[in-house]
Amino acid sequence: EAGVAQSPRYKIIEKRQSVAFWCNPISGHATLYWYQQILGQGPKLLIQFQNNGVVDDSQLPKDRFSAERLKGVDSTLKIQPAKLEDSAVYLCASSLNRLGAGVAYEQYFGPGTRLTVT
Amino acid sequence: AQKITQTQPGMFVQEKEAVTLDCTYDTSDPSYGLFWYKQPSSGEMIFLIYQGSYDQQNATEGRYSLNFQKARKSANLVISASQLGDSAMYFCAMREGSENFNKFYFGSGTKLNVKP
Repeated sequence: EAGVAQSPRYKIIEKRQSVAFWCNPISGHATLYWYQQILGQGPKLLIQFQNNGVVDDSQLPKDRFSAERLKGVDSTLKIQPAKLEDSAVYLCASSLNRLGAGVAYEQYFGPGTRLTVT
Repeated sequence: AQKITQTQPGMFVQEKEAVTLDCTYDTSDPSYGLFWYKQPSSGEMIFLIYQGSYDQQNATEGRYSLNFQKARKSANLVISASQLGDSAMYFCAMREGSENFNKFYFGSGTKLNVKP
């Protein structure tokens, strides 16, 4: 099966500009996650969708970050305006969220988008 | 309090030897899961092994095993017969919650270097 797809892979922007990232999860995966991974740190969950509804966005800086998952499939994460501290890798992951099918709630990660804000 | 604590920022191991990467967790949920991921320098997150809170036996996957000590809230990863390709960042993660909503937490990672 095809894995989680993300684009672009790399993006360089200046501070105060806007940027958008796209994620296409594995087919049939109801849950989609966006993580921010700053260099040298572990991933931090930004937002979690169950189908097309948000179930957790407690760590999303909502003054500048927004995300949507229309039709419960692919998703976009937007930053507007970007700050220097937003430089990070943005990881998208998806999971089945179903017991009894392999590893419960195992997340499959995409390759990530490396964002550099100058 | 930190949900996941990895106290070893970096580790060295000789090729072919075993190594243990530490992970402790904090949760009051009776049902939770623990994961280990490998992240090579290329950046992708690779799932290694999973342990459910109700699993009676420690999980094993090839050269990876998880030393699950529930009372101590620890879930250490043991890699046997280290290979040069094992050099990477390793993240411990925890899922807590229910089937309809669960939350994931990651530790800060351990950088493993395998020496020839």
